[in-house]
Order: sequence, then structure tokens, then C-alpha cells
Amino acid sequence: DVKVTQSSRYLVKRTGEKVFLECVQDMDHENMFWYRQDPGLGLRLIYFSYDVKMKEKGDIPEGYSVSREKKERFSLILESASTNQTSMYLCASSLFGDRGSGNTIYFGEGSWLTVV
Amino acid sequence: QKEVEQNSGPLSVPEGAIASLNCTYSDRGSQSFFWYRQYSGKSPELIMFIYSNGDKEDGRFTAQLNKASQYVSLLIRDSQPSDSATYLCAVDGDSNYQLIWGAGTKLIIKP
Repeated sequence: DVKVTQSSRYLVKRTGEKVFLECVQDMDHENMFWYRQDPGLGLRLIYFSYDVKMKEKGDIPEGYSVSREKKERFSLILESASTNQTSMYLCASSLFGDRGSGNTIYFGEGSWLTVV
Repeated sequence: QKEVEQNSGPLSVPEGAIASLNCTYSDRGSQSFFWYRQYSGKSPELIMFIYSNGDKEDGRFTAQLNKASQYVSLLIRDSQPSDSATYLCAVDGDSNYQLIWGAGTKLIIKP
């Protein structure tokens, strides 16, 4: 089974703190993603990476950065946390493939971040 | 802007009945279609993937794809209280990597 592991499940941080969310996948997937999910807004893509050291902005990259130094690990960084970044953050991974090849996205268990 | 639309619900269905969830998409070039289930407080999990026009069955779940009308449906037969969850529809996007997500339909199965 594909395993996507988010090391921090529940975090409480203060406004202005730097926050690191770590994600590791064990299936040698090329693609990795960070989403946030808020009630009524669905899944919104923050960043994704299709290879080591490669990254692309998603729909809501402002206030976030990412790092992918190794294929299996993808980190989300909040440089200066703000209260509007309180959310559930989901890491995910998938195989690389042509469009339409059915590249299932597998999710981690989620990280609940509260910024106070 | 490519879109995937779902009725947010909640959709309330009696136990044992058929639950029917619908999803429409805007990009005629879309080729892969996914249904994910998400329990409250949990992450989404894949329940069905469909690629070709027509129906795909897996146990109590049937996905129906109609590319001409640009919709995909999920039918759940013999609904159980454990099927109560939010169901997310996703469609392949422009790139090789991304999916476009609907906002989800909340399904409630009443005993």
C-alpha cells in the first residue's frame, strides 16, 4: 500500500512563527502536492513538485514555500504564520504519467494547524 | 478556468436505498475521473477511477461516465450508515500532474 506520512498531526503556533510541515512517501512517486482544505472551500492546491528540487505554484501559494531535497520528502514552510493560515493541510503523492493515465493521488492523514 | 461542480448537499438517503451523486466538468478534453470519499476529520481516499464512457462497477459502487454531456456519477447501492461522508469528484487537469477538484457532496445515510 502507498504510504504518505505527515509527521505532525496537530500543531498550535503563534502568529509570526515559522512553521514546517513535513511529508514523506514510500512509493517512489515523482509527484508530490500540498493542499489546504477549509470548510466550504474544498481542496486548494498550494504547491506541487514533479521532481527533486522542482516546484510549481498552485492556486494559493502566497505565504507559503516548499522544499524538495529528496524524492520521498516534500516540506511546506509557512515563513511567518498568520491566523488566516489556520487550516487542515494535506500532503499527497502520485506517479508521473501522461494526462489521462489515471494517476491516482494518495493523501496523507492531514496536519491540523491552528495559528493563534 | 477549468471547473468541476458538485451539489454540496447534504444529500439524505434512507439506509438500504441507492444514493446517487453527480459531478459535472467543464473541460471536454478531460480523460480521467475519480471519486474520493472523505470521512469527517479524515483525509480523502480513492473509491473509484473511471476512464471510459459507460459504467464501472466495484462492489456496491458504480461510476457512470458520459463524456458527451460532461458528467460523471457515483451510485451507491444498499446504502449503509458507514457510507455517510463527503464525496469528492476529481478530473484530470491541464498538466500531467494535477487534478481539478469539486467541492464535494455531503451524503447522510439515515438508519
